[in-house]
Formats: sequence, structure tokens, C-alpha cells
Amino acid sequence: QSALTQPASVSGSPGQSITISCTGTSSDVAYYDYVSWYQQHPGKAPKLIIYEVNNRPSGVSDRFSGSKSGNTASLTISGLQAEDEADYYCCSYTTSSTRVFGGGTKLTIL
Amino acid sequence: QVQLVESGGGLVKTGGSLRLSCAASGFTFSGYFMSWIRQAPGKGLEWLSYISSSGGTIFYADSVKGRFTISRDNAKNSLFLQMNSLRVDDTAVYYCVRDRRLPDMWGQGTVVTVSS
Repeated sequence: QSALTQPASVSGSPGQSITISCTGTSSDVAYYDYVSWYQQHPGKAPKLIIYEVNNRPSGVSDRFSGSKSGNTASLTISGLQAEDEADYYCCSYTTSSTRVFGGGTKLTIL
Repeated sequence: QVQLVESGGGLVKTGGSLRLSCAASGFTFSGYFMSWIRQAPGKGLEWLSYISSSGGTIFYADSVKGRFTISRDNAKNSLFLQMNSLRVDDTAVYYCVRDRRLPDMWGQGTVVTVSS
């Protein structure tokens, strides 16, 4: 199972919006609405911020939103804040009943 | 609150074995799938294996198939990962994760270092 494709890095200034893409195949992202996103700060465990494409767990800021079109899922962060600087990973359920992650995207706040 | 606490990591030589454990609390452990996920130093996340709530269905990533074995003890709210024939590239932080078709809650991880 090949990893999902994410940009290695994105950046934005405080208050701006950014979007991180996550491209898969017809066997994962395109097939199911089981795509999740995780935020990971250095030295910490990942934290779920979006599940099932566009749902936020309780306690996650509404500045985080998700979407999907075909085999590409996207995470948008609006109103960027300094604490958003972190690594972000997408994950998809697959037709083989396995899970596959993206390579991760480093978000830098300028 | 949901808590997942991994243990059993450490330093081991290539070809050696380790058994990781994960103690779960704060939720009905027997009602959830569980997974192990790892992260090599400076690298991304890699899903390794999941086990169904009853333990009757198990899947592995190709990278660990035949070397790692996942298991669980619902009576003790515990998840395990038996790792055999360890290689240098198995060096990573290993996370125990609650899984609902996708990971949702994560432990803090346990470090496994494999040296030659």
C-alpha cells in the first residue's frame, strides 16, 4: 500500500488561511469517506482534528475544516495562529481494510 | 478520560525480540478495534496492524507481516505487539491507538531502538 501524497511543507502568516492536500487512489481516499487528519507538535503524540472527511471532534477549533473531491482530500486552516505550527498527517481507510497515512506536511507560521 | 499507556520499549540488538504492551482505560476497551502505529526518527507515521474488538480479525502492513503479532486481552483492557526478528529500520516510537476504521485516540508512545 503506497502512502498518500501530501506537500512536504506549507506556510502562511497569522490570520491567513492555508490548505493542505492529500492525494490517494480509487482504493482509499476516493472509495470511502473515511479520511482523517492529525496534528502533531514536536515530541508529542498526534492528535485527531478531522475525522470522516469533514467532522471535528469535540474541542477542536472550527478554524479547522476538511473536504474531499475524488481521490484528493484537503485540510483547511483559517485564521492561522502561532500554535498551529506543527506537522499534519492525513490517513485513509482502504479497500484492503488497512489504513494508510500521508507523508506529512510541515506548517510554518511566518 | 480515555487513556492509552504503552510500555515495553527499549534497546535491542538486530534479530532480537520485544513485546510491547498498552494499558487502556476510560472507555469500553472490548468494544473497539485497536491499532499499532509507529514513527521512525524524523519520519512520518506508519500504520502497522489492527485487531478487531473480539480479536478475531487481524491485519498487518507488509513491512511487519510475519515478524510482528498483535493480540489483546479484553479482560485486562490490554493490547500487545510481539516483535520478532527486529531490524535497524524498526527503530521508532510505537503508538497504541484506538481505531474506528481510522485512529482516533493515541497513547504517548514507547521508544524502540534496534542496534546492530
